[in-house]
Amino acid sequence: GAVVSQHPSRVICKSGTSVKIECRSLDFQATTMFWYRQFPKQSLMLMATSNEGSKATYEQGVEKDKFLINHASLTLSTLTVTSAHPEDSSFYICSAKLPGTSGGYGYEQYFGPGTRLTVT
Amino acid sequence: KQEVTQIPAALSVPEGENLVLNCSFTDSAIYNLQWFRQDPGKGLTSLLLIQSSQREQTSGRLNASLDKSSGRSTLYIAASQPGDSATYLCAVNPGYTGNQFYFGTGTSLTVIP
Repeated sequence: GAVVSQHPSRVICKSGTSVKIECRSLDFQATTMFWYRQFPKQSLMLMATSNEGSKATYEQGVEKDKFLINHASLTLSTLTVTSAHPEDSSFYICSAKLPGTSGGYGYEQYFGPGTRLTVT
Repeated sequence: KQEVTQIPAALSVPEGENLVLNCSFTDSAIYNLQWFRQDPGKGLTSLLLIQSSQREQTSGRLNASLDKSSGRSTLYIAASQPGDSATYLCAVNPGYTGNQFYFGTGTSLTVIP
């Protein structure tokens, strides 16, 4: 089956530094990937939609200059948290949409295992 | 914007009991709905995917139903086991541009041995 990996699984960084999180589709090409954020005991909230070869689409309230997304290839999207602050500490999960054959609508997404970011 | 709600927020049952988790969504124009399991500190494991044209899907002890017109889905777990303890999330795919999922608030399930 389709597998999505994330690296690193856990990262601790100091306030003010930048952290890059990678999301890879291991056995399929994903033109679209999504980045979600999950605070403790809360559900997943979509941050942005990452499209290969074009700029990411950010959800309302998400700072695009703080959360830089790059989808440079069909199997890799990266999320860089710039000038991290303790309030950026969260669980970040990516998903990749499996390409379909009928207009690209609503195909099953596969989720990565998540990255736990802690900013001290 | 689609809003997804799950009831109850937490559930504790003795081992062997059958149980039902509920998911409701405000916009019935969906393409599919997916149930996930999340263990503490872990990512998501897909359990069942129901297309909008389907009414139910089954996998082992799990059965998910979908009533799109009323904006409801249920996840039925038969003969619950301690290993079923986790948070269960439902997610709705609206099917329009972007295809991002809208996640429910989750149900935290504890199965007591």
